[in-house]
Amino acid sequence: NAGVTQTPKFRVLKTGQSMTLLCAQDMNHEYMYWYRQDPGMGLRLIHYSVGEGTTAKGEVPDGYNVSRLKKQNFLLGLESAAPSQTSVYFCASRRQGKRSNQPQHFGDGTRLSIL
Amino acid sequence: SQKIEQNSEALNIQEGKTATLTCNYTNYSPAYLQWYRQDPGRGPVFLLLIRENEKEKRKERLKVTFDTTLKQSLFHITASQPADSATYLCALLSNFGNEKLTFGTGTRLTIIP
Repeated sequence: NAGVTQTPKFRVLKTGQSMTLLCAQDMNHEYMYWYRQDPGMGLRLIHYSVGEGTTAKGEVPDGYNVSRLKKQNFLLGLESAAPSQTSVYFCASRRQGKRSNQPQHFGDGTRLSIL
Repeated sequence: SQKIEQNSEALNIQEGKTATLTCNYTNYSPAYLQWYRQDPGRGPVFLLLIRENEKEKRKERLKVTFDTTLKQSLFHITASQPADSATYLCALLSNFGNEKLTFGTGTRLTIIP
């Protein structure tokens, strides 16, 4: 059971390039999340999804887009990469549960550098 | 504004002693509080959840307390081992409507042999 898998693990981009980060989960979870983690800032929510075909903005959505065409996949897109988007990106998923009493399951991250 | 503070960025504890980590929050009325462990280069891993009406939760050598009056949670690891060295994150769900967790910045714990 793989859990949450993120692709790629590392990437270096030039300013202005675009790319898509892929998150796949095999636990049949309804909820999926994209976070970024920066030193001293903790995990910050970018976008999330409560089910297939739905997405919503988190705390820091600007410069990112997401799509959830299939229940098991959640894609994070950078339209025009900026150095401020250099970060470690984590995807997480969880079961649907009343008042979020379900833990989140995380992937091992994508380390993204924008030059 | 809502704020979560994990008071120590780093904590060094002698092997065998009890490690105690603190999570304080302001302007929240959390329904749940969760603790996660994160190893270098890995994603966070869920450890324990405690509800607002629970005072204490235990799991093996781990114990979490939740004091909604003090707006504080304490995370204890008893009989600490070098393998317990990691960063520990607390996370809150507010009971004001949204379903999103907010994470603290974490405490990096080192257990010294």
